[in-house]
Amino acid sequence: DQQVKQNSPSLSVQEGRISILNCDYTNSMFDYFLWYKKYPAEGPTFLISISSIKDKNEDGRFTVFLNKSAKHLSLHIVPSQPGDSAVYFCAASDSGGGADGLTFGKGTHLIIQP
Amino acid sequence: GAVVSQHPSWVICKSGTSVKIECRSLDFQATTMFWYRQFPKQSLMLMATSNEGSKATYEQGVEKDKFLINHASLTLSTLTVTSAHPEDSSFYICSARTGGYEQYFGPGTRLTVT
Repeated sequence: DQQVKQNSPSLSVQEGRISILNCDYTNSMFDYFLWYKKYPAEGPTFLISISSIKDKNEDGRFTVFLNKSAKHLSLHIVPSQPGDSAVYFCAASDSGGGADGLTFGKGTHLIIQP
Repeated sequence: GAVVSQHPSWVICKSGTSVKIECRSLDFQATTMFWYRQFPKQSLMLMATSNEGSKATYEQGVEKDKFLINHASLTLSTLTVTSAHPEDSSFYICSARTGGYEQYFGPGTRLTVT
């Protein structure tokens, strides 16, 4: 059973507009969430993260929102740029102070239209 | 900062042979390194977690005798795929963590077993 779900396999957004990528999770033990960007045949690049004690984290054009009660998080990119076209993975950690790996969603392919 | 390299970037081997993949953290010491694999159009799946100087912890369903992991130093971890078969063909990605939650990924290694 998938614990991290990204239900939109792809998303097309016009350049300059806002891109909103969504992620849902089922494991209530997850306490840290991360977004990664990935190009084909490359490793993921860390974008932004959020702790479960916060509901928003902002870094430049990227903002992540967390709704714990809904077990939902989203990544907002504004304004969207052509270089943002990539696959975006949502990931979660059940750290508990330990050294666990990340649980990834299946990714959303973001396409920025000029 | 936080650069992780992998070598080789791609490898083709014959069925029954073994392949070693190296993962290095170039500008930081990694307390923990992780190995993931990704099948086409699928998510990254955690295979194992390794801490320097100790045995790796494997995820359920991952054969530890087939996927040998050695974490000899704070900057180097190796994954050896023993007696490789075509079904082992995949994209293998390592990541490293300094102590926080963020993981920094290598560029990945494409393994093709013929």
